[in-house]
Amino acid sequence: KAGVTQTPRYLIKTRGQQVTLSCSPISGHRSVSWYQQTPGQGLQFLFEYFSETQRNKGNFPGRFSGRQFSNSRSEMNVSTLELGDSALYLCASSERGSEYEQYFGPGTRLTVT
Amino acid sequence: LAKTTQPISMDSYEGQEVNITCSHNNIATNDYITWYQQFPSQGPRFIIQGYKTKVTNEVASLFIPADRKSSTLSLPRVSLSDTAVYYCLVGEAASGNTGKLIFGQGTTLQVKP
Repeated sequence: KAGVTQTPRYLIKTRGQQVTLSCSPISGHRSVSWYQQTPGQGLQFLFEYFSETQRNKGNFPGRFSGRQFSNSRSEMNVSTLELGDSALYLCASSERGSEYEQYFGPGTRLTVT
Repeated sequence: LAKTTQPISMDSYEGQEVNITCSHNNIATNDYITWYQQFPSQGPRFIIQGYKTKVTNEVASLFIPADRKSSTLSLPRVSLSDTAVYYCLVGEAASGNTGKLIFGQGTTLQVKP
């Protein structure tokens, strides 16, 4: 099976702009989770979608949102970008849910200038 | 929420057994304990998951005492390629929409020749 893919791999945006990141899970996986990784805060959970429904949500402001489509592909959107949003955004898919074995993608490196 | 505490860093030599301990005093009854490995510029990779006692796979062993307030990841005969960050993760079990994951700070393992 193909692994988790994320697009784009690298992105540079300006403060105030918005950005949409995409994640294609492993075939058959219904759970997609998003994480933000920064040197200072480490790996932080953003949210999880399962069968198109948001199942869990981390402690991030409302500028961070996501959705999942019927084919399990997921998108994450960040509006009104701030410098502090610069991070590696990781997507992970799981067959049964994020509390079980997850498969991570390579991530999208977002730089906000 | 179950919070995890791990050593920030550890050093070892090739061929040695490495044990990384994680504390999770507030672990809930339904929580699983999961360990991930992460190399630079890559997404984390699942290593092992357990609930109690001992779990072993081809990569590692996971020891969980009866009170489940800690767990120990054991890597037998490490090699240079095992140099990575190791995360202990305690997942709140999905119960309706209450599941959420907390990654610890991670342990940076440096294997020396």
